[in-house]
Amino acid sequence: SQQGEEDPQALSIQEGENATMNCSYKTSINNLQWYRQNSGRGLVHLILIRSNEREKHSGRLRVTLDTSKKSSSLLITASRAADTASYFCATDARSGSRLTFGEGTQLTVNP
Amino acid sequence: GAGVSQTPSNKVTEKGKYVELRCDPISGHTALYWYRQSLGQGPEFLIYFQGTGAADDSGLPNDRFFAVRPEGSVSTLKIQRTERGDSAVYLCASSRTGAGANVLTFGAGSRLTVL
Repeated sequence: SQQGEEDPQALSIQEGENATMNCSYKTSINNLQWYRQNSGRGLVHLILIRSNEREKHSGRLRVTLDTSKKSSSLLITASRAADTASYFCATDARSGSRLTFGEGTQLTVNP
Repeated sequence: GAGVSQTPSNKVTEKGKYVELRCDPISGHTALYWYRQSLGQGPEFLIYFQGTGAADDSGLPNDRFFAVRPEGSVSTLKIQRTERGDSAVYLCASSRTGAGANVLTFGAGSRLTVL
């Protein structure tokens, strides 16, 4: 079964707008990561947030983590057409354990 | 190599046939993972190696699926008596260590189609 569930399943925005994707999970985690997948390609790691962190930034990406609500959000600011892809959250239950992925959000950024 | 390499990139086979999918991880990465992904779904965990041994094989769906990593580098995923439901993209990933923050580097995947 999937640990993470993203919402929305699909998101369509205009270039320059911000995109927010959410991820919820069921059990306690060690880390939460976000990955991106372009159509027909492998996944690429974007950002990792540890369970004792609440917010993290990397370029145009901002990730928040609320362990009390078992949820995370990924914000992409000033989106570009090249940001069009599927975005997945992934969690591991403890150090060295497997990563479990959610179902993903398909983001379309219209030029 | 510079990245995770998977071969073949595409494999079409008939129901009941045997298939091998190969993964060549990043040099020095001790952890290696196999996932499979169906269209519109997230990656589904199959098995994870730490060195030569399978640290977690709980995701293998049944005994038709088997994976090896005999020298702690290249891994082969083996599927016996393939079924149409095995059709998916099989993704391999590697990471520097299985402990701590396991950030995965993925290959481009092997697309398996079972007719």
